[in-house]
Amino acid sequence: GQQLNQSPQSMFIQEGEDVSMNCTSSSIFNTWLWYKQDPGEGPVLLIALYKAGELTSNGRLTAQFGITRKDSFLNISASIPSDVGIYFCAGQRGSNFGNEKLTFGTGTRLTIIP
Amino acid sequence: DAGITQSPRYKITETGRQVTLMCHQTWSHSYMFWYRQDLGHGLRLIYYSAAADITDKGEVPDGYVVSRSKTENFPLTLESATRSQTSVYFCASSELLAGNNEQFFGPGTRLTVL
Repeated sequence: GQQLNQSPQSMFIQEGEDVSMNCTSSSIFNTWLWYKQDPGEGPVLLIALYKAGELTSNGRLTAQFGITRKDSFLNISASIPSDVGIYFCAGQRGSNFGNEKLTFGTGTRLTIIP
Repeated sequence: DAGITQSPRYKITETGRQVTLMCHQTWSHSYMFWYRQDLGHGLRLIYYSAAADITDKGEVPDGYVVSRSKTENFPLTLESATRSQTSVYFCASSELLAGNNEQFFGPGTRLTVL
């Protein structure tokens, strides 16, 4: 089955630094989602993108839906300790009126160095 | 507001045994999903259900059975567990709403097959 290519696989940064990660696909998606998973818990939705070219913010997080519909980016500004975790992108081919299956990326593990 | 729960949270079993993982949601969401999470693979869909008595295969269904007799429950059964099914299993639910594709995840079940 298809998976989304997510990079980098891991990041080691200092508190206060900005973070960038991206997700690419060989095929088109009509919805892109970004999730965060804390240790021992299930993923939680951070940002949802429904339109090509869309740029959406949620606090210090900003995500963009690539114009080609084959990629998406997530940026975190001024990282803090609670940003530690695994970030997943997910794509959906159906329209935003459906609930078709999500395809997940392999995740980016974010670690903050003291 | 209990949300979505999974039980057990941890399970150790032996090869060949039958194991059932439970998932219960209190939102009356139409859609429910089962994923497995493995290093290097992210989240992969096993089975999903659009409503009671309606189920369909995901990306990695072999070796698993599901049922959905009630909207709120979506059990996942490993009929004859194998070591390759050692994984963390997540259940998720969502509702069919225009412009909203959020899937809500349970806390996960860590399954070890010896």
